[in-house]
Amino acid sequence: EAEVAQSPRYKITEKSQAVAFWCDPISGHATLYWYRQILGQGPELLVQFQDESVVDDSQLPKDRFSAERLKGVDSTLKIQPAELGDSAMYLCASSSYRDRGYEQYFGPGTRLTVT
Amino acid sequence: GNSVTQMEGPVTLSEEAFLTINCTYTATGYPSLFWYVQYPGEGLQLLLKATKADDKGSNKGFEATYRKETTSFHLEKGSVQVSDSAVYFCARAPAAAGNKLTFGGGTRVLVKP
Repeated sequence: EAEVAQSPRYKITEKSQAVAFWCDPISGHATLYWYRQILGQGPELLVQFQDESVVDDSQLPKDRFSAERLKGVDSTLKIQPAELGDSAMYLCASSSYRDRGYEQYFGPGTRLTVT
Repeated sequence: GNSVTQMEGPVTLSEEAFLTINCTYTATGYPSLFWYVQYPGEGLQLLLKATKADDKGSNKGFEATYRKETTSFHLEKGSVQVSDSAVYFCARAPAAAGNKLTFGGGTRVLVKP
């Protein structure tokens, strides 16, 4: 069964450093989502792509976070500079109307620890 | 705005016990409702869903019924197993396809043998 791939699985970085996460969605899925999950809470959407275009980034802290999906396939989420409060799990998901009507499939996540 | 409220955990049960996790949602529009499960060290997996009032979603012995009159979508399982130990998230999405999920805070369930 096709899966959403994410890397790295774990990342430890120091405050003020730059960090990047990568996501490869299920092949053919046009919609890609990045969520942030703070420990003990539910995931919160950061950004949603339709192909290479951003359709919702209302909760993305744009002063330090950026996301891109240049060719409409894989995506990168970047944080620069990282802050202690950015410690969380970053989840990527993808969906397609043709695949169970936009059901979102999640990757295993990247756990970020900022020291 | 759109929100989902679910009971706080942890919920600790013995094997074969009955499980209920309460979930309520804001009634804006006609949302679709979901339960996701997160096993330790893994991403979220869709457990079940319901897209309109009175629909019942079911999977792996879990059930939830979309109750419009009480704006609820409670998760139930009649006989839990140790392997059901996980964090369960209730979520909603607007009726329009392809829109973002809004999650509740999650409920950790621990099933003891």
